[in-house]
Amino acid sequence: GQNIDQPTEMTATEGAIVQINCTYQTSGFNGLFWYQQHAGEAPTFLSYNVLDGLEEKGRFSSFLSRSKGYSYLLLKELQMKDSASYLCAADNDYKLSFGAGTTVTVRA
Amino acid sequence: IAGITQAPTSQILAAGRRMTLRCTQDMRHNAMYWYRQDLGLGLRLIHYSNTAGTTGKGEVPDGYSVSRANTDDFPLTLASAVPSQTSVYFCASSEGKSPTDTQYFGPGTRLTVL
Repeated sequence: GQNIDQPTEMTATEGAIVQINCTYQTSGFNGLFWYQQHAGEAPTFLSYNVLDGLEEKGRFSSFLSRSKGYSYLLLKELQMKDSASYLCAADNDYKLSFGAGTTVTVRA
Repeated sequence: IAGITQAPTSQILAAGRRMTLRCTQDMRHNAMYWYRQDLGLGLRLIHYSNTAGTTGKGEVPDGYSVSRANTDDFPLTLASAVPSQTSVYFCASSEGKSPTDTQYFGPGTRLTVL
């Protein structure tokens, strides 16, 4: 079976940095995805990691450690528009298993 | 290019009724997926199709059926709706050539079963 864990909620101040952790236990693991979902909208792709290490995309970075079953999403220079839910998903044979999502609230 | 469209946007349905949620993509993606999203549980895979003519069961397939007659369409049918099927349903697609292909999501259908 699949087990994906991430914190339920996080709050941070505009301009700050927030790190969202995700641990996973899956069989047949291929890679780790991060999606962003604003309230009432569809999830949109942010990043994915296949190999260990850090992937940087502008203000967003994602890290993977396959041996530890651990990933994190780093959001830098937070903006109000970053208030959303962030979904961690482990790929298993072309299918994604999602965590419940972390709701990030950015305060002015 | 529209990407993925879903219909209806929302629906209120009496228990016991049959309902088909429609999903169409214009990206010529091989793989398509149906998820339901419930508070506190995240997205859960209902059914998937790796290519036209094939389908497979996901994590929560009971009470749902799908078909994939062509590349573009992937309808989800609830044969006899029950209140526990109240949820937001998302359709997604990917190229399906690699396990790490990005999945793209439709706007969702909000279904309420009374």
